Amino acid sequence: KNEVEQSPQNLTAQEGEFITINCSYSVGISALHWLQQHPGGGIVSLFMLSSGKKKHGRLIATINIQEKHSSLHITASHPRDSAVYICAVPHYGGSQGNLIFGKGTKLSVKP
Amino acid sequence: GAGVSQSPSNKVTEKGKDVELRCDPISGHTALYWYRQRLGQGLEFLIYFQGNSAPDKSGLPSDRFSAERTGESVSTLTIQRTQQEDSAVYLCASSLAVGVPANEQYFGPGTRLTVT
Repeated sequence: KNEVEQSPQNLTAQEGEFITINCSYSVGISALHWLQQHPGGGIVSLFMLSSGKKKHGRLIATINIQEKHSSLHITASHPRDSAVYICAVPHYGGSQGNLIFGKGTKLSVKP
Repeated sequence: GAGVSQSPSNKVTEKGKDVELRCDPISGHTALYWYRQRLGQGLEFLIYFQGNSAPDKSGLPSDRFSAERTGESVSTLTIQRTQQEDSAVYLCASSLAVGVPANEQYFGPGTRLTVT
């Protein structure tokens, strides 16, 4: 079964800084998810990606399937980006089935 | 269109009581997942329904936990004889059928369960 490691666990940044959050996993997959959890607890799916790079506004996600590694970048960070960012992959590899989650990266962006 | 909905949004119950949590998936989504997040901990998988297949119950922590799904619609997660360690946010997610290249999961808002 897959194991997911995220780093860093906590991250404090000043507004405007470029943020990078890393995720590594142990079993080959075809799809990886990046999720955002706000302080109230609600979870939003940011990206699902299978290869290369995806961009939504100031958020960029990249994945290297061969190296079993993904990164989430935030450009020009803003206090409203403060949240927990969670990486998730299929528990048994591939692209289907239940997800296993990283422990999350708690991001705090200071004005 | 409507997303995944869950009810109730908050539930406070006394230790030893049974509770039922409900999830309404996105229409047309044949896969449905239950996860939970205990305070200060990461998300953990509980159970997974896919169409008419037998559910994957491998994440249920004890036999006090059970879940049902009516066809490809509503699911109910039942916790019997609740314990304080059951206090958590219970999240439901749904996705399209197996067979699509990759199934993005859409999360509901969660039910915050507090066992006193």
